[in-house]
Amino acid sequence: DIQMTQSPSSLSASVGDRVTITCRASQSISSYLNWYQQKPGKAPKLLIYAASSLQSGVPSRFSGSGSGTDFTLTISSLQPEDFTTYYCQQSYSTPRTFGQGTKLEIK
Amino acid sequence: EVQLVESGGGLVKPGGSLRLSCAASGFTFSTYSMNWVRQAPGKGLEWVSSISSSSTYIYYADSVKGRFTISRDNAKNSLYLQMNSLRAEDTAVYYCARLSVTTSHDAFDIWGQGTMVTVSS
Repeated sequence: DIQMTQSPSSLSASVGDRVTITCRASQSISSYLNWYQQKPGKAPKLLIYAASSLQSGVPSRFSGSGSGTDFTLTISSLQPEDFTTYYCQQSYSTPRTFGQGTKLEIK
Repeated sequence: EVQLVESGGGLVKPGGSLRLSCAASGFTFSTYSMNWVRQAPGKGLEWVSSISSSSTYIYYADSVKGRFTISRDNAKNSLYLQMNSLRAEDTAVYYCARLSVTTSHDAFDIWGQGTMVTVSS
């Protein structure tokens, strides 16, 4: 199974900050990497697919990059509604696996 | 509106069984692969099982293989998860999720609200 490791596990930032979350795969997964946002008590929401493609309806302040084993999710200017948890997920092979999550908190 | 609605969760004793359902609406259910993903309380996301559009391809996580069975009824726009021999570690919110495929990349693009399964004596 491909292991996905996110860093950091938690991150404190302020409204308007630019933040980056990193996801590393245990083997090369090309660009088969997705990012999800999950708010407390809610289902995950797809933000980015294929490493860098923005899902329809997702604000342009979210962007993704990377290929191979190292990937990043960047939020260019944090809004109050962005303080929640983010997960990466590989779609290269079965079983599909997720990172452990990164919780973004208000400083 | 594209929607997935899960049902069937509840409290069950270890060793017991439960059947989850997921009702789809607002899209052509029969053309999409579907999945179950779970989340234990306070934990991350874990993929559980997937089924292709015509049920030809079925996959399970090792943690549930031999105990859980995924199925679908395209005439009823419904997805199911039969869970047998339940363990305490199966306690989680269970989400059904649609798999969207775009130029060979796939992602879980639509999720239900989740149904809670608690395994406890």
